[in-house]
Amino acid sequence: EVQLVESGGGLVKPGRSLRLSCLASGFRFGDYGMSWFRQAPGKGLEWVAFIRSKTFTGTTDYAASVKDRFTISRDDSKSFAYLQMNSLKTEDTAVYYCSRAVRYSSGRSVVYYFDYWGQGTLVTVSS
Amino acid sequence: EIVMTQSPATLSVSPGERATLSCRASQSVSTNLAWYQHKPGQAPRLLIYGASTRATGIPPRFSGSGSGTEFTLTISSLQSEDFAVYYCQQYNVWPPWTFGQGTKVDVK
Repeated sequence: EVQLVESGGGLVKPGRSLRLSCLASGFRFGDYGMSWFRQAPGKGLEWVAFIRSKTFTGTTDYAASVKDRFTISRDDSKSFAYLQMNSLKTEDTAVYYCSRAVRYSSGRSVVYYFDYWGQGTLVTVSS
Repeated sequence: EIVMTQSPATLSVSPGERATLSCRASQSVSTNLAWYQHKPGQAPRLLIYGASTRATGIPPRFSGSGSGTEFTLTISSLQSEDFAVYYCQQYNVWPPWTFGQGTKVDVK
């Protein structure tokens, strides 16, 4: 059974840092891309960051709202994905979810969709 | 960035009735469109990918259709466990992956 379990959320002051972790089980973690999403209070889902599998370069992408502040990484030996969040702002307050990315070819393009998600960890940025 | 628009914002349905949810993309996403179900405090659940393919373990009362810019999620006979918020998401042009604002299906 595929499972994703996030941890590391909490209350933090603006300008501080926090690292979220996502422990994966039930599949070959290194074969998949991973992503982080978030949901602010009363809002919808928003994509945050993505990391490809090392087979497909292991490179990363970020939403404009978090670029240069957040860093996604992975440890395939331990089946963890991480989200390092620096210079946190009040607008980063949200439940953060990790998700597994499924890669496939669509015509001449490569696309990824997200099939399994964790239950989320709450990050509150407030003074 | 592709903008996804869902309608209606809220859909009030009686158990056993049919629910039809709509999703529109600001430009063509081919069939690279997913639907998710999300309940408070739970993980989002993938229902449909490829616009019309049910994900593993999803009951046949859920069906998706459409291509290009217009998509529909149909729940043929609503069960009590289906009351939730539903999101469409495009994955044709990325990053970013973008979602609609959600449709809340509640009890009439």
